[in-house]
Amino acid sequence: EAQVTQNPRYLITVTGKKLTVTCSQNMNHEYMSWYRQDPGLGLRQIYYSMNVEVTDKGDVPEGYKVSRKEKRNFPLILESPSPNQTSLYFCASSLSQNSYNEQFFGPGTRLTVL
Amino acid sequence: AQSVTQLDSHVSVSEGTPVLLRCNYSSSYSPSLFWYVQHPNKGLQLLLKYTSAATLVKGINGFEAEFKKSETSFHLTKPSAHMSEAAEYFCVVSDWEYGNKLVFGAGTILRVKS
Repeated sequence: EAQVTQNPRYLITVTGKKLTVTCSQNMNHEYMSWYRQDPGLGLRQIYYSMNVEVTDKGDVPEGYKVSRKEKRNFPLILESPSPNQTSLYFCASSLSQNSYNEQFFGPGTRLTVL
Repeated sequence: AQSVTQLDSHVSVSEGTPVLLRCNYSSSYSPSLFWYVQHPNKGLQLLLKYTSAATLVKGINGFEAEFKKSETSFHLTKPSAHMSEAAEYFCVVSDWEYGNKLVFGAGTILRVKS
């Protein structure tokens, strides 16, 4: 089954404790992206990657890092989480950078930073 | 720059009555437009997309949207609402000029009353 998976689905942590949220897709997509969803703000892009070893900042990159060492994986790293990073996070992938392509979303990761 | 305005944060309809969720967009060039639905505690699912072909777009489960360039609108409609369609709906714009970045509206929560 074609899908985007994220782990963990739920995470409660404390300020300053490094964490990684994994994202993997099995569709051989070139383009991958991370979003955060906050009430009343829709989804906002954190980082994106057009292909292996090619990443760039989205609208809200502060406090986050990403890497793209393999085509299928695109982990999101919070080196020193803070309470304002409490949010619902979505990973997405699409065939290419072309704006016609539908993006497929993972199930989401709900992060709480105390 | 791209932007999306969903004109209603909440819409309430009775089961079996028509649904209208309004969306206006701003984009420099020829945009791609999408409607995504998010059911409670679920990821996002694509309902339909406009990519410069027919201006009336049909999606899944009887949803339709009409692209009106003169009004910069992309309203989502359905003739008859079903209880299972209570969810949050996002209007999204994307443009090749901006590297397939999706810009989300703030969302419209649809409530369906029995």
